Amino acid sequence: DQQVKQNSPSLSVQEGRISILNCDYTNSMFDYFLWYKKYPAEGPTFLISISSIKDKNEDGRFTVFLNKSAKHLSLHIVPSQPGDSAVYFCAASGTYKYIFGTGTRLKVLA
Amino acid sequence: EADIYQTPRYLVIGTGKKITLECSQTMGHDKMYWYQQDPGMELHLIHYSYGVNSTEKGDLSSESTVSRIRTEHFPLTLESARPSHTSQYLCASRTGGSADTQYFGPGTRLTVL
Repeated sequence: DQQVKQNSPSLSVQEGRISILNCDYTNSMFDYFLWYKKYPAEGPTFLISISSIKDKNEDGRFTVFLNKSAKHLSLHIVPSQPGDSAVYFCAASGTYKYIFGTGTRLKVLA
Repeated sequence: EADIYQTPRYLVIGTGKKITLECSQTMGHDKMYWYQQDPGMELHLIHYSYGVNSTEKGDLSSESTVSRIRTEHFPLTLESARPSHTSQYLCASRTGGSADTQYFGPGTRLTVL
């Protein structure tokens, strides 16, 4: 049973526009969420996180929104750049491990 | 910035060989993890450790073994490599605390011929 879901396996966006990556979770006990970016043949890089006591966290071009009632979080990238092309994973903090989504491949078109 | 290292970055080896993938972190993190990922697929947790002398199997069954003799070191060993072990292996450590964040190493790309 997938507790963290990223239902869009891929997304294409024009350079300069907004990229919105979505993530849904099922366990209401999750209280901390993270986003990672991964290039091929490299390890995931931590991007941004959000605690369940907040509904928004911003860091430069990256903003994460959390809707606890809907059990939904999203990552906004504005403006999108070709270097943002990668696979993005959301993760929820569990008891002994993080629960990762299956990833969304973002392609930013120049 | 996280200081977590993996060696080798790439390894091509023949079937039946014994290999050890190294992972080290200098941040003093107690919790460490090994993941396996095939291209385009999800991350699978294969081993984790809460601290020295603590090791547990993860969600995905793996023929590999791990050890945790020192806090900073969490090596993964395959006694007899097979082509089905071809994958990317990612090591991670976790800060713990209120702003708990997990950091990944650069990964080892293993190819077994």
